[in-house]
This record gives sequence, structure tokens and C-alpha cells, in this order.
Amino acid sequence: DAGVIQSPRHEVTEMGQEVTLRCKPISGHNSLFWYRQTMMRGLELLIYFNNNVPIDDSGMPEDRFSAKMPNASFSTLKIQPSEPRDSAVYFCASSLERSNTGELFFGEGSRLTVL
Amino acid sequence: QKEVEQNSGPLSVPEGAIASLNCTYSDRGSQSFFWYRQYSGKSPELIMSIYSNGDKEDGRFTAQLNKASQYVSLLIRDSQPSDSATYLCAVVRDTGRRALTFGSGTRLQVQP
Repeated sequence: DAGVIQSPRHEVTEMGQEVTLRCKPISGHNSLFWYRQTMMRGLELLIYFNNNVPIDDSGMPEDRFSAKMPNASFSTLKIQPSEPRDSAVYFCASSLERSNTGELFFGEGSRLTVL
Repeated sequence: QKEVEQNSGPLSVPEGAIASLNCTYSDRGSQSFFWYRQYSGKSPELIMSIYSNGDKEDGRFTAQLNKASQYVSLLIRDSQPSDSATYLCAVVRDTGRRALTFGSGTRLQVQP
């Protein structure tokens, strides 16, 4: 089975540009999470969806960040305009909430560098 | 105070020794506790979960939970160089918020 698929794996862009990160969760999983990881702040939750509905977006840094999940198999995280402090690895993860095991399956991450 | 605190390390142990990793959390309502392992440049993967006070063993790994002290630990017996990684402690804060809150991780180095 395919795991969580993220794209792009690497993105280098200039300050002020729009960045869109994409995620395909594991088929059948009903929860999807976006995390950001930096050396300074570790792994931070940005937003999570359950059954395609945003449940908690309190971790979204500011209005420049937005996330959507139009269907069960696709989600996007958009940054507009991007800033150098947004440079990080962005992970998407999915889980089957009914299992309540707390096991998140992570994608390989999207490494974003904003110059 | 951070919600989940870990010593960043590095924790260095010789091959074959026991590695002890510790984590404290601030929310007394936390329900579930997890240890994830993250190799450099890779994504985190779950290695242990624990939900009630006491010890839980799985192979060379033992997770320990003390809710009164708000303390979780992970013991790795017979440490191997392949165990060298960053270990992330994670908690589910309450039943209403299913997302995991992660600590910053402890980097473990197992010396051959």
C-alpha cells in the first residue's frame, strides 16, 4: 500500500511568492494533519482535519497560511506571501481515528526554503 | 512552560547499554502517550504507545508512565548503533483534541 504522499519534496522560492504543498493521505484514513518542523520549535501542529472538516487550526501561524481538504484523498497547505521564517520541513500525516492508537503515518515531508 | 518537554541531548551511550529517555508534560488531562523515532532527514515513526500507569514492554523497548508525576520515559535495552536517532515524546492532551502534541525530541547516539 502507498503511504502518505507529499509533493513537492523540496521547494526553494523567493520571499513574497506563493507556495502550495500537497498531500495525499492513506486510503481509508479519516484524519489528516499538517505539521511543521524546525530546529528551533520542533514539530508543531498547524491544522488537522477529520472527515475533510477542519477541526483545529489554532496552530496556523497567521492569515498567510491556509489549508483545504476538498475530498478524502487530497489536501493542500498554501502560504501566500511566503517569508524566510516559513522555511521548514512541512509534514502531512494521516490516521484512522477510530483506531485511537495515536499512530500517525507521516509523509516524507516537503522541505521549504524561502530566500 | 512547554506542553511537552524533553532534554534535547545528545544522549550518548555505548553499544549494548540501556538508554533512558525522559519526557514531562504539563496538561494533567493528557490521556495517551507515544514515543516516535525520527532518523535524520526522515519522517517520524511510532515505536511505542502507553495509556495507563506502569510499564509496557515491546522487545527491547519499555515505556513507563507516571501520571501523578506527569512523566513518561522510554528505555532501550541492548542499544544498537541503528537506534541512533531523535526520539520524540508525544501526548494527546484530551479527548476533545485528537491531534498529537510533540516534544522537541532527544537525540540519541549509540557508540559502537
